[in-house]
Amino acid sequence: AQSVTQLDSHVSVSEGTPVLLRCNYSSSYSPSLFWYVQHPNKGLQLLLKYTSAATLVKGINGFEAEFKKSETSFHLTKPSAHMSDAAEYFCVVLSNTGNQFYFGTGTSLTVIP
Amino acid sequence: SQTIHQWPATLVQPVGSPLSLECTVEGTSNPNLYWYRQAAGRGLQLLFYSVGIGQISSEVPQNLSASRPQDRQFILSSKKLLLSDSGFYLCAWSGAEQFFGPGTRLTVL
Repeated sequence: AQSVTQLDSHVSVSEGTPVLLRCNYSSSYSPSLFWYVQHPNKGLQLLLKYTSAATLVKGINGFEAEFKKSETSFHLTKPSAHMSDAAEYFCVVLSNTGNQFYFGTGTSLTVIP
Repeated sequence: SQTIHQWPATLVQPVGSPLSLECTVEGTSNPNLYWYRQAAGRGLQLLFYSVGIGQISSEVPQNLSASRPQDRQFILSSKKLLLSDSGFYLCAWSGAEQFFGPGTRLTVL
C-alpha cells in the first residue's frame, strides 16, 4: 500500500530564511510524488511533481524537492521564505493503479515578518 | 486548457436538509473525478472517485452519495445532512496529476 507521512504539522520560519517541509513515503514500487499548496479557503495548487525522471524537481514559486529513494523521502525546500508562502502544504503519492492519490495530513507553514 | 468548476462556493444548511454539490470539468474527456472533504484543521479525506460515467467508488461509508450522470459532471449528494458533514469540499480531476476546483464551504447548523 502507498502512503505519505508529513513529519511536521506546523512549521514557522522568518521571512528570508530557508524552508524545509518534510515528507516520507511508503511504496512498494517507484512512486509518483507531488507537493500541493493550499491557501485559506482555496483549492489546492500543484507546486511540483516527481515521476521517476530527475531526482531534484523544481517547482513554482522557487520551491524544490529532492527524491531520495534510500531515505524514502521527498522533502520540500525553498532557499528564502516569502510572506506569501504562508499556507498549508500537502505531500501526495499516486497509487500504482494510477487512480488514487494519497494525501499526507498537511503542514501549516507560518512566515514571520 | 482544462478548468474545473464547483458550486456553490458557500452553503449553510440546517441539519436534516438535503445536499447537492456540483462539479464540472471543461477541456478534457473521460477524466477520473474525485470528491474530497477537508474538515477544519485537517487533511483531505477522499470520499468518492469515478473512472467513468456511472462508475463510483466509495472510500468512506457515510450518509453521502455521489453520481456521475455525464462524462464531465460529478455530483455529491445527501438526503439528510449531519452536523459532522460541515467542511470544505473539493472536487478534482486527474490526468498525470490532480487538478482541484475552488471548493465549497459547507456549514451545517
